[in-house]
Amino acid sequence: AQSVTQPDIHITVSEGASLELRCNYSYGATPYLFWYVQSPGQGLQLLLKYFSGDTLVQGIKGFEAEFKRSQSSFNLRKPSVHWSDAAEYFCAVGLYNFNKFYFGSGTKLNVKP
Amino acid sequence: ETGVTQSPTHLIKTRGQQVTLRCSSQSGHNTVSWYQQALGQGPQFIFQYYREEENGRGNFPPRFSGLQFPNYSSELNVNALELDDSALYLCASSYRDRKETQYFGPGTRLLVL
Repeated sequence: AQSVTQPDIHITVSEGASLELRCNYSYGATPYLFWYVQSPGQGLQLLLKYFSGDTLVQGIKGFEAEFKRSQSSFNLRKPSVHWSDAAEYFCAVGLYNFNKFYFGSGTKLNVKP
Repeated sequence: ETGVTQSPTHLIKTRGQQVTLRCSSQSGHNTVSWYQQALGQGPQFIFQYYREEENGRGNFPPRFSGLQFPNYSSELNVNALELDDSALYLCASSYRDRKETQYFGPGTRLLVL
């Protein structure tokens, strides 16, 4: 069965520090992977996606993610966090024809000044 | 701003009642998906509509149903409301050839008493 696990419920980092949010997936076929961000009162915004090719993908707002098939992981990274990055982040898997998506339970990011 | 709107923004119902939530997609988007996001959880896929027909469904009972109209607006109907149906309901639309890229609305917050 398909599933997405985000092991960290809350993460706090200092502004300017680097960030890594973890995501592990379980899916029998080639995964289509996504990271979304949700700010309070806002809908989900797509940060980046991976379908194939280069395993390091760049997204918006300075985020990047690395796909590691051997570890079934798709971790999100940012070299230097800004206070405006405080939000909740969701990892997701899409089926090959994109008629079904599975989301993780999210990681809430707090940024200390 | 994604161009996807949802109404109402908030709603209070009592157990056993029926509710209809509405979503207006971006122009040209002929695919819409609905999600349920319980407090502290990630979005759970309910179903997807493509060209007015259900195209995929998650693990939700039949009392969750939907409609998509020729203008690509859509509705989510929930019958016989239960307390556990209290959640944020999100719709997401996508363009016909880019179904992997979903644009989310801000959601409707439903409280069942």
